[in-house]
Amino acid sequence: EIVMTQSPAILSVSPGERVTLSCRASQSVSSNLAWYQQKPGQAPRLLIYGASTGATGIPARFSGSGSGTEFTLTISSLQSEDFAVYYCQQYDRWPLTFGGGTPVEIK
Amino acid sequence: QVQLQESGPGLVKPSETLSLTCMVSGVSISKYFWSWIRQPPGKGLEWIANIYNIGTTTYNPSFNSRITISMDTSKNQFSLEVRSVTAADTAKYYCASASDSARFDYWGQGTMVTVSS
Repeated sequence: EIVMTQSPAILSVSPGERVTLSCRASQSVSSNLAWYQQKPGQAPRLLIYGASTGATGIPARFSGSGSGTEFTLTISSLQSEDFAVYYCQQYDRWPLTFGGGTPVEIK
Repeated sequence: QVQLQESGPGLVKPSETLSLTCMVSGVSISKYFWSWIRQPPGKGLEWIANIYNIGTTTYNPSFNSRITISMDTSKNQFSLEVRSVTAADTAKYYCASASDSARFDYWGQGTMVTVSS
């Protein structure tokens, strides 16, 4: 199976800061990469698919980039509602696999 | 609008079979991809199984053939069966759908399942 590794393990930031989260695949997944946001007690929400396409209703401050094995999720200016755990997921091959998640916490 | 709602037993005894159902509204389950995904308390997400095209199934091999996913088009719902459960199967179980490829646009709110005697 394709192993997805996210970094950093945890990120402490202040509101208004720019945030960059990384996701690495153990083999190429082309652009078949999605990002999700999960807040406590809630289901994950799709943010980005196709590595760089914003899902419906997602604010423009969220953007994704990368292809192959290296991917990045960027939040241009962190808002209070963005403090959450972020997961990447590859859908290039079965079994589908998720990264371990990066919590973004208030500094 | 697509909505998913899980239902399950809440508590299951070790070695027994866990059965979960996801009721779907807003779209026919004859379309899209339909998956089960779980999340142990305080941990990350694990994909379990997928069904689409009225019966094409794919399973996570890590479950060692303990799982079966199925759909009932007459009720517009799909289900998951996990056999021989252990404490390691304690998790919140989500059903989710993907309108295109296997990236999940819609999720249920999840149902917590605890395996304990």
